Amino acid sequence: GNSVTQMEGPVTLSEEAFLTINCTYTATGYPSLFWYVQYPGEGLQLLLKATKADDKGSNKGFEATYRKETTSFHLEKGSVQVSDSAVYFCALRGGNTGKLIFGQGTTLQVKP
Amino acid sequence: ETGVTQTPRHLVMGMTNKKSLKCEQHLGHNAMYWYKQSAKKPLELMFVYNFKEQTENNSVPSRFSPECPNSSHLFLHLHTLQPEDSALYLCASSPHAGENTEAFFGQGTRLTVV
Repeated sequence: GNSVTQMEGPVTLSEEAFLTINCTYTATGYPSLFWYVQYPGEGLQLLLKATKADDKGSNKGFEATYRKETTSFHLEKGSVQVSDSAVYFCALRGGNTGKLIFGQGTTLQVKP
Repeated sequence: ETGVTQTPRHLVMGMTNKKSLKCEQHLGHNAMYWYKQSAKKPLELMFVYNFKEQTENNSVPSRFSPECPNSSHLFLHLHTLQPEDSALYLCASSPHAGENTEAFFGQGTRLTVV
């Protein structure tokens, strides 16, 4: 079945550091891929998405490229801020069921 | 603000109580979902409704009873819960259940069972 694997956290960075959170997936067909962010005490917010191979999703300085050859959708940001501290979830939707499947989440802590 | 509203935000209930969680969306979506988020566990899909019909029950215990009276409203009725049911319950909606579109989430109800 479909699945998503994210790098283990927590990830701790200093402000203005470069961020990469790895995400790989297994899916049949041509899924859409998403990154969601969850700030403390809140629900999940869509951060960015990509619906086909080689698409690049971007928002608020974050980027991720849909790589079908490596089945990956890594999240990157060139310069993180303290306000980026949150839990980040990689997700896919597609295949035969249309289910939205999440990775386990990666906690990011950015220190001043 | 995602257009999906959940109430209450926090709920404490005893194991013999009956309570309900409410979710509403005004996005014109036809699919609604309940997810459970427990500490140190992946998000668990509980139920899926598409055009008011339940299309998925992910082996959820019967002490959780969903209700979808129309495409804009979704309830989760709770009774005789256990302490391990304490979690953040998230509601989401999307245009249709079978499409590869994103889902929009509410802020969740933090449930504590004592």
